[in-house]
Amino acid sequence: NAGVTQTPKFRILKIGQSMTLQCTQDMNHNYMYWYRQDPGMGLKLIYYSVGAGITDKGEVPNGYNVSRSTTEDFPLRLELAAPSQTSVYFCASSWIDNTYEQYFGPGTRLTVT
Amino acid sequence: SQELEQSPQSLIVQEGKNLTINCTSSKTLYGLYWYKQKYGEGLIFLMMLQKGGEEKSHEKITAKLDEKKQQSSLHITASQPSHAGIYLCGAFLRNAGGTSYGKLTFGQGTILTVHP
Repeated sequence: NAGVTQTPKFRILKIGQSMTLQCTQDMNHNYMYWYRQDPGMGLKLIYYSVGAGITDKGEVPNGYNVSRSTTEDFPLRLELAAPSQTSVYFCASSWIDNTYEQYFGPGTRLTVT
Repeated sequence: SQELEQSPQSLIVQEGKNLTINCTSSKTLYGLYWYKQKYGEGLIFLMMLQKGGEEKSHEKITAKLDEKKQQSSLHITASQPSHAGIYLCGAFLRNAGGTSYGKLTFGQGTILTVHP
């Protein structure tokens, strides 16, 4: 199993541009998540999904959109990129069981200038 | 303010020394996770604690959960350079709408440096 994969690894955007961060998992997990990590701030939940076709907002959803058309894929869309969206983005997935252990992708480092 | 506070925020130790990282919640927590992150990489699961008083160990790392204090500690014995990285705690917290199962809240992380 590849686990959770994310593309791209790095990206530089100009203010106002748009892009999609890709996330795929091959573990047949129901739950998927998008986090952003800023220095000294830990991880903040952007959006999450409990299954195909179902998404919900996390703590910091503004400026982002998601979709979940399949169990495997959970892309994160940035519209009209702003410098405040400069961050490292992590995708994660988990089972619905008594552990809810989350498996993380390697991250995407995004800079908006 | 953070719902999960980690202390210290950073730690520099000499190889072979013991150290402790704390994670304190401002809300009732259900399930406490410890993750490790190397710079530029994703998070690696270390261990999960679910019950008050629970203690788990993996190699030289031990984690305990004090449910009454809403706190967990991560202890590393005889630290090695391979222990260096960022340690993050995450938990399911009980909010007004109920427990956020599936939605982890994370602490801000503790940066550990181990000098050989």
